[in-house]
Amino acid sequence: NAGVMQNPRHLVRRRGQEARLRCSPMKGHSHVYWYRQLPEEGLKFMVYLQKENIIDESGMPKERFSAEFPKEGPSILRIQQVVRGDSAAYFCASSPGQGHEQFFGPGTRLTVL
Amino acid sequence: TQLLEQSPQFLSIQEGENLTVYCNSSSVFSSLQWYRQEPGEGPVLLVTVVTGGEVKKLKRLTFQFGDARKDSSLHITAAQPGDTGLYLCAGNGVYAGKSTFGDGTTLTVKP
Repeated sequence: NAGVMQNPRHLVRRRGQEARLRCSPMKGHSHVYWYRQLPEEGLKFMVYLQKENIIDESGMPKERFSAEFPKEGPSILRIQQVVRGDSAAYFCASSPGQGHEQFFGPGTRLTVL
Repeated sequence: TQLLEQSPQFLSIQEGENLTVYCNSSSVFSSLQWYRQEPGEGPVLLVTVVTGGEVKKLKRLTFQFGDARKDSSLHITAAQPGDTGLYLCAGNGVYAGKSTFGDGTTLTVKP
């Protein structure tokens, strides 16, 4: 039973480019959460999605960031026109339902040059 | 907004010592999870506590959920270098869908 999968594991972008981070939830999980983590800090909630719906995006910056979880395929976190401050580890988690425990992927480490 | 405060933020101890990490909030949670994260990896779920006053044991780790379901503790007996990592608590609100995470406790166990 495969766990949460994220790719790429490492992503390097130059300022102004776009970054696309992918997350495939655990089998049977229809709820996906994205978090951002800076070195030696905790997880900061960004967005919570269910299939084809954004449930809570209160932690997502208003500009340049967007997320989707289509009916088919992985969830995508998209960062447009990246800046150096976007450099961080981005984690995806999935759960079978609202309020259930979450299981995390290995993360994508984004470095903006 | 529900907040979870973890203490201490950093803890460095010798192998064989005992330690306790705390997770406190002014909000009531329907359940609370503890995770452990190693450098370069995602958090790994250790335990979920649901009932006020609940105590769960996982080998040398003991987890307790406060009677009022507002706080929790993690106690490690005879710590080993393999226990080194970032320990995170996360609470599920009674009405909210997402979890609230604490900022974590970074534990270093020296051989």
